[in-house]
Amino acid sequence: AQKITQTQPGMFVQEKEAVTLDCTYDTSDQSYGLFWYKQPSSGEMIFLIYQGSYDEQNATEGRYSLNFQKARKSANLVISASQLGDSAMYFCAMKSSYKLIFGSGTRLLVRP
Amino acid sequence: EPEVTQTPSHQVTQMGQEVILRCVPISNHLYFYWYRQILGQKVEFLVSFYNNEISEKSEIFDDQFSVERPDGSNFTLKIRSTKLEDSAMYFCASSEARGGPGTGELFFGEGSRLTVL
Repeated sequence: AQKITQTQPGMFVQEKEAVTLDCTYDTSDQSYGLFWYKQPSSGEMIFLIYQGSYDEQNATEGRYSLNFQKARKSANLVISASQLGDSAMYFCAMKSSYKLIFGSGTRLLVRP
Repeated sequence: EPEVTQTPSHQVTQMGQEVILRCVPISNHLYFYWYRQILGQKVEFLVSFYNNEISEKSEIFDDQFSVERPDGSNFTLKIRSTKLEDSAMYFCASSEARGGPGTGELFFGEGSRLTVL
């Protein structure tokens, strides 16, 4: 069975600092993808970053990077230089068999 | 930029009533999904749809739920007889079919909030 675990229900970070949001996963599939989505208070789901299971390099998208450690089955999101607008819920998700499964989310609050 | 659109944005209904939530996926996408998010909880997979049929469904997607693509553009979720516990945000999503089963991000609509009284 596939499972995504986010152990941090809430996190604080000071504006302009970096923050790491944890995500571990469990799957028996050889080919899968790992995703992070942001959900601001307005409710929409915004795609941030993707890492394929066969990708050897960690994915980066602007201030977002994904620290992929396959042997440990972890896919942590690193947000550099946090901004007030980064305050939101963040969901880690895994895709295999064309279906996306989400973790329980981490609420990030950026302090000015 | 192409986007997934959902209507209505908010619907209030009485318990036992039928509800239809509508979605227009991105036009060149071939995979369609419905997800549910009960307030304050995680986003849960309901059903995926490909090639005009359900490709996978979760245990939440019981006989009271159905999906349809009636006209090649709309993708609907019907809840036959709503219960209080169906109150949630319902997200439609779509993705391209290229690449393997683990590739391709899902593009989400803004959600339809269903309130069952």
